[in-house]
Amino acid sequence: NAGVMQNPRHLVRRRGQEARLRCSPMKGHSHVYWYRQLPEEGLKFMVYLQKENIIDESGMPKERFSAEFPKEGPSILRIQQVVRGDSAAYFCASSPGLAGEETQYFGPGTRLLVL
Amino acid sequence: AQSVTQLGSHVSVSEGALVLLRCNYSSSVPPYLFWYVQYPNQGLQLLLKYTTGATLVKGINGFEAEFKKSETSFHLTKPSAHMSDAAEYFCAVMGGNNRLAFGKGNQVVVIP
Repeated sequence: NAGVMQNPRHLVRRRGQEARLRCSPMKGHSHVYWYRQLPEEGLKFMVYLQKENIIDESGMPKERFSAEFPKEGPSILRIQQVVRGDSAAYFCASSPGLAGEETQYFGPGTRLLVL
Repeated sequence: AQSVTQLGSHVSVSEGALVLLRCNYSSSVPPYLFWYVQYPNQGLQLLLKYTTGATLVKGINGFEAEFKKSETSFHLTKPSAHMSDAAEYFCAVMGGNNRLAFGKGNQVVVIP
């Protein structure tokens, strides 16, 4: 059973460009979470999605950031007009969404570098 | 809101010695608590978790943690450190909407 998959693993963008980060959850998992890890800090929650629904986006910056989890295909975290402060590791996690199945399983992350 | 405190960003331990990583949490509801380990340039791997029931929880790689409600703690221990334990360790508490709130992490260095 494949784990959570993220691509690309490394992404370099120049200021003002767009970054698209993809996440495929574990098989059978319908809940996806995105977290950001800034240097010297722990992970910070960004957004929680189920298929075609955003459940909680309280951790997302109000501007330039958006996320989706379509009926078909991976979840996408999109960052428009990137700035140097967006440089970080972005982790996706998934869970089954069943009562008693709270554990979130993490992908390997996408490391974004903004030049 | 839920939060976690992990003190001491860097922890050095001799090979074969006890590993002790401290985690204190704040939660307005009965907490679900987790320890994750992160190896360089990798994602987070679950070590162990507490949801309900037995307060002493055993995890992978010989780690265990004890939930102490009176102390709002969930400290991680391993009796004997191995070189392969060198990694970063994160404690997390689950909040509303399944949000995980993480501590800042402990970078563990194992000295031969």
